[in-house]
Amino acid sequence: SQKIEQNSEALNIQEGKTATLTCNYTNYSPAYLQWYRQDPGRGPVFLLLIRENEKEKRKERLKVTFDTTLKQSLFHITASQPADSATYLCALYNQGGKLIFGQGTELSVKP
Amino acid sequence: DARVTQTPRHKVTEMGQEVTMRCQPILGHNTVFWYRQTMMQGLELLAYFRNRAPLDDSGMPKDRFSAEMPDATLATLKIQPSEPRDSAVYFCASAISYSNQPQHFGDGTRLSIL
Repeated sequence: SQKIEQNSEALNIQEGKTATLTCNYTNYSPAYLQWYRQDPGRGPVFLLLIRENEKEKRKERLKVTFDTTLKQSLFHITASQPADSATYLCALYNQGGKLIFGQGTELSVKP
Repeated sequence: DARVTQTPRHKVTEMGQEVTMRCQPILGHNTVFWYRQTMMQGLELLAYFRNRAPLDDSGMPKDRFSAEMPDATLATLKIQPSEPRDSAVYFCASAISYSNQPQHFGDGTRLSIL
């Protein structure tokens, strides 16, 4: 069956460190993968999109990698700040053209 | 910044009542999505429209849920009759086109059915 898996356990890191979140998928061949941020009581906010022919994408302190062989995307936040604390969702398009979301990983950055 | 607006933000009602949730997509966005988010299932796509035409509602329980777009500035999601298992946060999102474009989400309607 098709699955998108993100770390279900919350990730706790110290301010200034790099946070790395993982998104693994099975039985998908997505052409694109997106990452969203969701704060409590708010809707998801789009962060980055990476295409299958792109190995890496950067935006300010954010970096996303996409390995179609491993069927994995990694999301990095460098020099993390308490304001980066949120839930991060990966999402990819299935064959039907629908955007399917992972369950999300909660990140907590401690001062 | 343009935003997707959802009303109401919170709704508490009794089982069996009709519930209507509204969404105003971002002006110029021609694709509108309805999602439901629960702790157990995460974010699930219920239905989506392009240019006001329903394209897919396969994620929606047909017997009690209905989604419409009366005009380009309003999308509605109705539940009749509501059941306790419908309790969730319902999100509307809009996008320029249904492809790889980012989706812009509203802040949701938190629905509790007693």
